[in-house]
Amino acid sequence: QVQLVQSGPEVKKPGASVKVSCKASGYTFTDFYIHWVRQAPGQGLEWMGWINPNSGGTNFAQRFQGRVTVTRDTSISTAYMELSRLTSDDTAVYYCARFHGDYGLGWFDPWGQGTLVTVSS
Amino acid sequence: ETVMTQSPATLSVSPGERATLSCRASQSVSSNLAWYQLKPGQAPRLLIYGASTRATGIPARFSGSGSGTEFTLTISSLQSEDFAVYYCQQYNNWPQTFGQGTKVEIK
Repeated sequence: QVQLVQSGPEVKKPGASVKVSCKASGYTFTDFYIHWVRQAPGQGLEWMGWINPNSGGTNFAQRFQGRVTVTRDTSISTAYMELSRLTSDDTAVYYCARFHGDYGLGWFDPWGQGTLVTVSS
Repeated sequence: ETVMTQSPATLSVSPGERATLSCRASQSVSSNLAWYQLKPGQAPRLLIYGASTRATGIPARFSGSGSGTEFTLTISSLQSEDFAVYYCQQYNNWPQTFGQGTKVEIK
């Protein structure tokens, strides 16, 4: 079945970077964009950006531009999201999700199980 | 950006009862709206897209309606596994945005 499996929880200090992986299975990895969404404690869902696994092209929400990098390794059907210059406000569960839609607008199915990133000194 | 407002924040319902969740958009999103179910420690689950189309494998007790700025998710007869947090998401206007969620809890 179609599945996205993410890497495990991370604890980072302020100012550090974190890299989260998202391994796809059950479908052709390059056929669907992968998006990243996060949820801070007690908050709603926040869209971060996407990668086109076929071309490697990316696009991000304005508030993350310059601080987030998303890459992929098509040989192992895996996408990576790296967030730099972490602050306590980046403490959140980070999700990857397979995208359905056009021009960056659409719905997400399925989602990864989430990766908790905790930023603490 | 389009602000999505969900109400109520918490809904207390007895098993077997109907639950009605609302989602309002700050501007028209046509029918480009999805609903998701989130449970702690689990991957979010797509329930509805296109405002009213059930995703694959979603039970018929889940239904979505609305267009423009007002949307509703109805769970006709709550089962124990339905107690969770539900989010709406618009994908008509850039950037796509989510509501703050409605928690459906056991009464």
